[in-house]
Amino acid sequence: GDSVTQMEGPVTLSEEAFLTINCTYTATGYPSLFWYVQYPGEGLQLLLKATKADDKGSNKGFEATYRKETTSFHLEKGSVQVSDSAVYFCALSKSQGGSEKLVFGKGTKLTVNP
Amino acid sequence: EAQVTQNPRYLITVTGKKLTVTCSQNMNHEYMSWYRQDPGLGLRQIYYSMNVEVTDKGDVPEGYKVSRKEKRNFPLILESPSPNQTSLYFCATTGGPYMGQFFGPGTRLTVL
Repeated sequence: GDSVTQMEGPVTLSEEAFLTINCTYTATGYPSLFWYVQYPGEGLQLLLKATKADDKGSNKGFEATYRKETTSFHLEKGSVQVSDSAVYFCALSKSQGGSEKLVFGKGTKLTVNP
Repeated sequence: EAQVTQNPRYLITVTGKKLTVTCSQNMNHEYMSWYRQDPGLGLRQIYYSMNVEVTDKGDVPEGYKVSRKEKRNFPLILESPSPNQTSLYFCATTGGPYMGQFFGPGTRLTVL
């Protein structure tokens, strides 16, 4: 079945460091790919998305490129801030039987220290 | 403002005592779903609904019921809660495939 694998956390960085969180997927067909962010005590928020191969999603300084050849959607940010501390989830979405099937990775906790 | 609301936000109950977690969205979306989040397991879908009176099982439906009598509301019902249903629950809605989901703030449920 379809699955998403993301790097195990936790990840701890200093402010202004470069961030990469790896995400790979297994899926038939043509899924869309997403990154969601969950701040402490809150629900998940859509951070960025890409709907086809080679698309780049970007938001709030975060970027991820849909790489079909490597089945990857790695999240990057050039200079993290303390406010980026959160749990990040990679997910894929496919149309299935007229509905949407969403599959999440297990999440990666990021802590950014001042 | 687009919103998904859930109530209650926190609930401690005892085994076997029926409970309902409400979910409401103001985006006029047809698609709504429920997830549970557990440490080390990520998010797993419990039930989803493609429209009023149309519901279907997700990956972990056992022990749960849902109903969809109005487009905006999608309550989650635990007829006889058990301790293994202690979890963080999220309601979500989307305007269509590939658009991404709006999540509610979550309901933390503890079953003793």
